[in-house]
Parts: sequence; structure tokens; C-alpha cells
Amino acid sequence: AQSVTQPDIHITVSEGASLELRCNYSYGATPYLFWYVQSPGQGLQLLLKYFSGDTLVQGIKGFEAEFKRSQSSFNLRKPSVHWSDAAEYFCAVGPLGTGANNLFFGTGTRLTVIP
Amino acid sequence: DAGVIQSPRHEVTEMGQEVTLRCKPISGHDYLFWYRQTMMRGLELLIYFNNNVPIDDSGMPEDRFSAKMPNASFSTLKIQPSEPRDSAVYFCASNQGLSEAFFGQGTRLTVV
Repeated sequence: AQSVTQPDIHITVSEGASLELRCNYSYGATPYLFWYVQSPGQGLQLLLKYFSGDTLVQGIKGFEAEFKRSQSSFNLRKPSVHWSDAAEYFCAVGPLGTGANNLFFGTGTRLTVIP
Repeated sequence: DAGVIQSPRHEVTEMGQEVTLRCKPISGHDYLFWYRQTMMRGLELLIYFNNNVPIDDSGMPEDRFSAKMPNASFSTLKIQPSEPRDSAVYFCASNQGLSEAFFGQGTRLTVV
């Protein structure tokens, strides 16, 4: 069965510091992988996605993520965090070949940025 | 395109009342999803449609929940009768083919 694990419920970083949010997935084949961000009271916004090809994908707002098949991971990174990055981040996995339906979401990681 | 539009943004209702949530997907998208978000359970897929046809409703929690998509530009999620444990944020999302899902702003439902 598909599943997504985000082991860190809450992370606090200082503004300007680097960030890595962890995501591990369980899926029977190569999945579609996504990172979404949710600001308070808002819907989910796509940061980046991996479908195939280059395993290092660039997203919006300076985020990137690397797909590592051997580790079943898709960790999100940012070299220098801004205060506006404080939000909840969700990793998601979807099936290959049938459209990005049936997205399974992790439980989310809440990011706090301190000045 | 204005994106996925959900209404209302907030709904407060009394236990036992019927609640209807509405969603207008992005034009041209052929998949529509309803998710529920709670602190305890996170984001759960309730049901999704492809070309207006329900494909998987296994996430619908009980018979009190029903969803329809009468045409490509409109969907409803109905709860009848509502209960306090239904309080959550309900998201609608849509996509086309192999694209990512685009989410609406959500409806925050409070059942008192």
C-alpha cells in the first residue's frame, strides 16, 4: 500500500539558515512525488514535483528536492530560509501512469522561522 | 483562470443540519478531488471524480456523506445529518491528466 512518512512534525530554524525537510514513501513502482506548502488559513500550493528524469528538481521560492530511489526519499531543501517560509509543508505521492489522482499525503511538517 | 473556487469559505451549523459544500474546478480539468483536513487525521482523500464520474469513494467516512458532480464545472459535497466530529477543513482540488493537483482555499466547517 502507498504511504508517505514525514518524520519531523515540527522544525524550527533561524532565518538565513539552511533547511531540509524529510519525506519517505512506500510505493510499488516509481511514483509521482510532490511537495506542497500550506500557509495558515490557505489552501495547498505546489512547490515542486517529480515525474521522471533528473532526480534533482527545482521549485518555486528557491526550494529544491532530490528523488533518491534507493532510499525511497524525496527530501525538500532550501539553502537560506526566509521568515515568509514559515508554513506547513506536505509531501505527497501519486500513482504513475494514471494521472495525479489518489494523492497520498504525509502528515506534514510545520516550519517555524525565528529571526 | 481563477483557480479552484470553493464556497462557502466558512460554515457554522448545528448538529443534525444538512451542509452542502461547493466546488468549481479549473476549466478543462478532468479530475476533481474532495479532501478533508483535521489535526488528528491530516489530509484524507474522500472521493474523486474523472470526467464527472465518481471513481473512488472509499474515503467517504459514512453514508451521511455524499458527493455529486452534475457537470464538468461543478461539484458538491453534502453531509446529512452533520455531527460535531465532521468539523474540519474541506478542500476541493482538480487536475488534468498527468499534472499536479490544484487546490481551492478550502471550506472551514464547524458543527456545534
